[in-house]
Amino acid sequence: KAGVTQTPRYLIKTRGQQVTLSCSPISGHRSVSWYQQTPGQGLQFLFEYFSETQRNKGNFPGRFSGRQFSNSRSEMNVSTLELGDSALYLCASSVEYTGELFFGEGSRLTVL
Amino acid sequence: EDQVTQSPEALRLQEGESSSLNCSYTVSGLRGLFWYRQDPGKGPEFLFTLYSAGEEKEKERLKATLTKKESFLHITAPKPEDSATYLCAVQAAGNTGKLIFGQGTTLQVKP
Repeated sequence: KAGVTQTPRYLIKTRGQQVTLSCSPISGHRSVSWYQQTPGQGLQFLFEYFSETQRNKGNFPGRFSGRQFSNSRSEMNVSTLELGDSALYLCASSVEYTGELFFGEGSRLTVL
Repeated sequence: EDQVTQSPEALRLQEGESSSLNCSYTVSGLRGLFWYRQDPGKGPEFLFTLYSAGEEKEKERLKATLTKKESFLHITAPKPEDSATYLCAVQAAGNTGKLIFGQGTTLQVKP
C-alpha cells in the first residue's frame, strides 16, 4: 500500500512569491491534514479537510490556504511568502476523525 | 488553552540503559493521546494511541502509559536504532482529527 506522497520535496522561494504544495493521501483515506514544523514552534496544525470540506483551521494568517479534491488529493498554498514561512510542511492522511495520522515525508520550503 | 509539554528536551542513553519520557497535557476533554516517532528528514510515524487513564500499550522495547494529566513512554534496554525524536500529541473531544503536539524529546542511544 503506497504511503502519503508529497511534492515537491524541496523548494526555494523568495519573499513575496507564492507556493503550492501537493499531497496524495493513502488510498481510501478521506481525511487530509497539514502541519507546519519548525525548530522553534514544533508541529503546528494548519488545516484539515474531509470530503473536499475544510473542517478545521489553525491559527495561521489568511495567506495560508488549502483545498481538497474529489479524489482526496490536497493542495496548500502560501501567498506573499515571508522569511518566517521557511519550514517543513507535512501532510497527513487518516480514516476520518482519528488521530492515527499517516504522514508524508514533507515539503521543505526555504524562503530567501 | 489545550497544551502539551514534553520533557526532557533531549536524552542521551547508553545501549541497554532504560529510561522514561514524559508528556504532560491540558486539554478540554481528551479524546486520545498519541505517541509518534520521527527520524531526521522523515515525517512522524505513529506508535500508540491511549484513550483513558490507566491504559497501557506496548511495542517491542516501548511501553506507553496514561494518567489524567500525563503520559510516559518507557524505553526498556534501548538500542541505537531507537534513536529518534519522540512526539506526544493530544486530540480534544469533538468532530476533528486535529492534533496538538508537544515539542518532542530527542533520544540518542549510544552503543
